[in-house]
Amino acid sequence: AQSVSQHNHHVILSEAASLELGCNYSYGGTVNLFWYVQYPGQHLQLLLKYFSGDPLVKGIKGFEAEFIKSKFSFNLRKPSVQWSDTAEYFCAGMDTGRRALTFGSGTRLQVQP
Amino acid sequence: GAVVSQHPSWVICKSGTSVKIECRSLDFQATTMFWYRQFPKQSLMLMATSNEGSKATYEQGVEKDKFLINHASLTLSTLTVTSAHPEDSSFYICSPHRGGLAKNIQYFGAGTRLSVL
Repeated sequence: AQSVSQHNHHVILSEAASLELGCNYSYGGTVNLFWYVQYPGQHLQLLLKYFSGDPLVKGIKGFEAEFIKSKFSFNLRKPSVQWSDTAEYFCAGMDTGRRALTFGSGTRLQVQP
Repeated sequence: GAVVSQHPSWVICKSGTSVKIECRSLDFQATTMFWYRQFPKQSLMLMATSNEGSKATYEQGVEKDKFLINHASLTLSTLTVTSAHPEDSSFYICSPHRGGLAKNIQYFGAGTRLSVL
């Protein structure tokens, strides 16, 4: 069965600290992976996506993620977080047959000024 | 990015009443519509998938007679929560799928927060 897991449920960082949020997937076949951000009271926004090619993917707002096939991981990173990065972050994988997304449980990031 | 309009953004209703949520893709044709649900402090879970002109396919555990989905056109899909109960209180999000070259890109509505009293 396809699944996506996020092990960090709540992360608290100070501004300028580096961020890494874990995401592991369990998929058969072609893997399409995504990171979404949900700011308080707002809808999901796509941060970045991986379909194929370069395993290091750069997204918006200075985020990047690395697809490591051997570890079944797609961790999200940012070298220096800002207070405005406070949000909920979701890793998701796509069933390329149905196109539906399977989301991880989410990680709440709280950045303290 | 594509424009997705979802209404209402927030609705409060009495137990036993029905609520209709609309989702429109404003600048593209959505051959497929996904409906997700997000309970407080939980992740999004797929409820159902609908293709334009066809009956929706529901995920296990989702009652098709309770959550009526209509996808009559390529730009509009509706989700009706019938005889709503407090346990249906949740955040409902639509995600139209445009197909073609952008077939693996997902877009989301802003969501509808349903509170059933």
